[in-house]
Amino acid sequence: QQQVKQSPQSLIVQKGGISIINCAYENTAFDYFPWYQQFPGKGPALLIAIRPDVSEKKEGRFTISFNKSAKQFSLHIMDSQPGDSATYFCAAKAQGGKLIFGQGTELSVKP
Amino acid sequence: GAVVSQHPSRVICKSGTSVKIECRSLDFQATTMFWYRQFPKKSLMLMATSNEGSKATYEQGVEKDKFLINHASLTLSTLTVTSAHPEDSSFYICSARDGTGHHEQFFGPGTRLTVL
Repeated sequence: QQQVKQSPQSLIVQKGGISIINCAYENTAFDYFPWYQQFPGKGPALLIAIRPDVSEKKEGRFTISFNKSAKQFSLHIMDSQPGDSATYFCAAKAQGGKLIFGQGTELSVKP
Repeated sequence: GAVVSQHPSRVICKSGTSVKIECRSLDFQATTMFWYRQFPKKSLMLMATSNEGSKATYEQGVEKDKFLINHASLTLSTLTVTSAHPEDSSFYICSARDGTGHHEQFFGPGTRLTVL
């Protein structure tokens, strides 16, 4: 119930391509779904977030698509760049404000 | 965005000693702070939630006597790893949330702990 399942575990994309990472959850009480980017040895940084009453949110090259009925959400990175190479985590906010993180996706963008 | 700092960024200690890690919110008042642990190539695992002025709430399986958390002010929380052992070696990350009702948590840069 408290899990967030993320896939794929790793992803290789050519420069200029679209990177797509998917997450699924079970608990319908989750009310906030952020995506984080983490570089090695650094803390995670918020990329973009969405609330369950919105189906899509776009900020620059990053878009979240949210399917409330399917309990799934995804991150799309358009025009992927080598600088986007990092580990990406989806998360869901549970009761008390704590975040439940997905397993992470290691993205590599090849030049 | 809001800034959260951690100190030290990395620490090496001998087995059996205690280590204190500080987490500070630099430009906002953090009513709630969270402590996470992250193993190499793994996700963040929540250890505990602390609210200013009250005892921390630990996640299942986290030893509260091993990982002491203090949130004495609205800008500072500390995690003390007591009697550290090599298996406590990990990347510890804190995050902070203000009391305005916003959902967002702001993460610190992390502390790499190595216990010899």
